[in-house]
Amino acid sequence: DAGVIQSPRHEVTEMGQEVTLRCKPISGHDYLFWYRQTMMRGLELLIYFNNNVPIDDSGMPEDRFSAKMPNASFSTLKIQPSEPRDSAVYFCASSLDWGQNSYEQYFGPGTRLTVT
Amino acid sequence: AQKVTQAQTEISVVEKEDVTLDCVYETRDTTYYLFWYKQPPSGELVFLIRRNSFDEQNEISGRYSWNFQKSTSSFNFTITASQVVDSAVYFCALKEGGTGFQKLVFGTGTRLLVSP
Repeated sequence: DAGVIQSPRHEVTEMGQEVTLRCKPISGHDYLFWYRQTMMRGLELLIYFNNNVPIDDSGMPEDRFSAKMPNASFSTLKIQPSEPRDSAVYFCASSLDWGQNSYEQYFGPGTRLTVT
Repeated sequence: AQKVTQAQTEISVVEKEDVTLDCVYETRDTTYYLFWYKQPPSGELVFLIRRNSFDEQNEISGRYSWNFQKSTSSFNFTITASQVVDSAVYFCALKEGGTGFQKLVFGTGTRLLVSP
């Protein structure tokens, strides 16, 4: 089975531009997570979805960030307008229903975003 | 509040040495889940193991072994006969059980350098 797919792998953009990151979770997984990794803050959970519905977006830094999951096989994380401090590696992860027995999250390869 | 502490920022060993990565966690829940992930220089996050709080059995997988001790709130990871390919950042993570607590909290990671 294919793992979590993210695109693009690298993105370089100028401050003020809109950035859209894309994710395809593992087929059959019903949880999808977006994380950000920086040297200063480590791995941070930004938002997660269950069955395409956003459950917890308390980690989203500010209104410039938005995430959608229009269907079970696709999600986007959008930054508009982008700022240099948004430079980081953004990971998407997916997992099966946590329920009574928590299943591990499987991560995509990440998107390295550089905002100049 | 849940918390994961990986006090070792960086460890350097020579190939074939054994090495133990420490992980100490804090939680008020009686049901929780512990994880280890590996992040090699290529950047992806690779799931290694999940352990439930009600299963204190230690686990061995090839050269890897994990020691879970609830009495000391620790979930340590040992690599036996380390190899250069083990060089990576290793993250310990915790998820509390129960409804509404889906957040996976990561430690700050331990960078392992294995030299030939």
